[in-house]
Amino acid sequence: AQSVTQLGSHVSVSEGALVLLRCNYSSSVPPYLFWYVQYPNQGLQLLLKYTSAATLVKGINGFEAEFKKSETSFHLTKPSAHMSDAAEYFCAVSETSGTYKYIFGTGTRLKVLA
Amino acid sequence: DAGVIQSPRHEVTEMGQEVTLRCKPISGHNSLFWYRQTMMRGLELLIYFNNNVPIDDSGMPEDRFSAKMPNASFSTLKIQPSEPRDSAVYFCASTMTSGPYNEQFFGPGTRLTVL
Repeated sequence: AQSVTQLGSHVSVSEGALVLLRCNYSSSVPPYLFWYVQYPNQGLQLLLKYTSAATLVKGINGFEAEFKKSETSFHLTKPSAHMSDAAEYFCAVSETSGTYKYIFGTGTRLKVLA
Repeated sequence: DAGVIQSPRHEVTEMGQEVTLRCKPISGHNSLFWYRQTMMRGLELLIYFNNNVPIDDSGMPEDRFSAKMPNASFSTLKIQPSEPRDSAVYFCASTMTSGPYNEQFFGPGTRLTVL
């Protein structure tokens, strides 16, 4: 069965510092991976997705993620944090057959310090 | 496009009352998902519809929960009777399922409080 693990339920960074949010997956087949962001009192919004076309995926708001098969990881990064990046971030893997439903990680809440 | 529309945005009710949450998916999407989000359990998939047919309802917590999708543009999630432990944010999401790489589009959610 596929699964996703997000290390660190809370991450704090200073404004302008590197953002690194970790996601590891478990899948017996090539995975389809997603990062979503949830701002307070809002629904989830897609940041980026991996569909095997390229290992380095660029998303919105300056975020990117690198798929590393050897490490079964899909970590999310941003070179310089902005106050507006404060939100909760979810990594998800899609089933590759049947319902194509997502398996979500438990989320990481990012706090940006002034 | 207006995106996924959910109503109401907030619902406060008393234990034992019936609650109905509504969702309008994005036009042209043929798959719809209902999720529940709580601090304790995170995001849980409750039920998934494809072409208006319930495909996977294994996440529905118990018989008090039911969901319908009478047509491609409308779905409801009903809780009867409601209990305090049902308090959560309920999200609806839709997508065009031509493959596993398709993005799910989420609505703004309904925050349910059962007193």
